Amino acid sequence: DIQMTQSPSSLSASVGDRVTITCRASQTIDTYLNWYQQKPGKAPKVLIYAASTLQSGVPSRFVGSGSGTDFTLTINNLQPEDFATYYCQQNYAFPFTFGRGTKVDIK
Amino acid sequence: QVQLQESGPGLVKPSGTLSLTCAVSGGSISVSNWWNWVRQSPGKGLEWIGEIYHSGSTNYNPSLKSRLTMSVDKSKNQFSLKLTSVTAADTAVYYCARVLSSSTSSYWDLWGQGTLVTVSS
Repeated sequence: DIQMTQSPSSLSASVGDRVTITCRASQTIDTYLNWYQQKPGKAPKVLIYAASTLQSGVPSRFVGSGSGTDFTLTINNLQPEDFATYYCQQNYAFPFTFGRGTKVDIK
Repeated sequence: QVQLQESGPGLVKPSGTLSLTCAVSGGSISVSNWWNWVRQSPGKGLEWIGEIYHSGSTNYNPSLKSRLTMSVDKSKNQFSLKLTSVTAADTAVYYCARVLSSSTSSYWDLWGQGTLVTVSS
């Protein structure tokens, strides 16, 4: 299985900050990488697919980049509604696998 | 607007069978989408269980494959999951989800609300 390693596992930030979350795959996955946001008691919601494509309706402050094994999700100008847990997920090979998540909370 | 809704028992006894159904409303299950199951537990995070196409083709997570069966019922516009010989490790919130695919990407764009299944005697 392809292991997805996210860092950090949690971070504290303030409204208006820029936040960067990284995700590393245990082998190359090209750009078959998606980012999801999850809030407590809710299902995950896709933010970015194919490493850098913004899902329709998602604010442009969410930016994804990377290819191969190293990927980044950047949240510019952090907003109150962005405090949540973020997951990366590869769909390059079965079984599809997720990172362990990065919890973004309020400083 | 397509919606997904999971249903099934919230409590299953150890060694029993976990059975869940995902009802698709507002659209047809017989479209060019794969229909997935994902679970989430505190210990293992998000785990992909498997997927099924409306034709009945499946892809399963090898870690669950020996215990897993997925099926689709086009007449009821729903798909289902059966997991046998469950243990406490199968306790999780189970989600059904739709995958949108292209030649260069696929992602889960639509999710059910999730249903908690507890394995306990």
